Amino acid sequence: DQQVKQNSPSLSVQEGRISILNCDYTNSMFDYFLWYKKYPAEGPTFLISISSIKDKNEDGRFTVFLNKSAKHLSLHIVPSQPGDSAVYFCAASGSTGTASKLTFGTGTRLQVML
Amino acid sequence: KAGVTQTPRYLIKTRGQQVTLSCSPISGHRSVSWYQQTPGQGLQFLFEYFSETQRNKGNFPGRFSGRQFSNSRSEMNVSTLELGDSALYLCASSLGTGGYYEQYFGPGTRLTVT
Repeated sequence: DQQVKQNSPSLSVQEGRISILNCDYTNSMFDYFLWYKKYPAEGPTFLISISSIKDKNEDGRFTVFLNKSAKHLSLHIVPSQPGDSAVYFCAASGSTGTASKLTFGTGTRLQVML
Repeated sequence: KAGVTQTPRYLIKTRGQQVTLSCSPISGHRSVSWYQQTPGQGLQFLFEYFSETQRNKGNFPGRFSGRQFSNSRSEMNVSTLELGDSALYLCASSLGTGGYYEQYFGPGTRLTVT
């Protein structure tokens, strides 16, 4: 049972344009959401997070939006740069029980073209 | 500060054998989590240890086990290896237990079972 879903396995975007990566979740106990970025031969690195009490969090070129009623979050990268080409994982966590572990999506491979 | 280290980086084993993977967390981090990454499945949570105690466990068979030592170093063991165990095994450390704490990942151990 995939509780965190990233339905687009890949995305190609032109340099300078906006990249939008989407993520859906099913567990209503999740109240903290994160995005990780992974380059080949490296472990994932934390990018940005958002708590369920907010609907938007910004950090430089990266913005995460959360729509709790739709159980949906998205990561916007503006402007996209070639160095952003990587696999992006959405993750979610809650405070108790099985939700307290970090649950990851299957990842979206972003390619930013010159 | 040194990052999370994992040894070995690459491993080739035969079906039926067992394997032990090692993880050294960032100094001061007391929580270690293990994940299995396979194509199309994203990062699947295996287990989390905090202060030598298993705090959470994913949906993996009993062939997968782990432990944590008093210096926070952790090992995971897979017995009676199957072809489907071929994957990248990632270890992550954090200051506290649960998904609310930022997790820092090591580069992973690539296990190939033939």
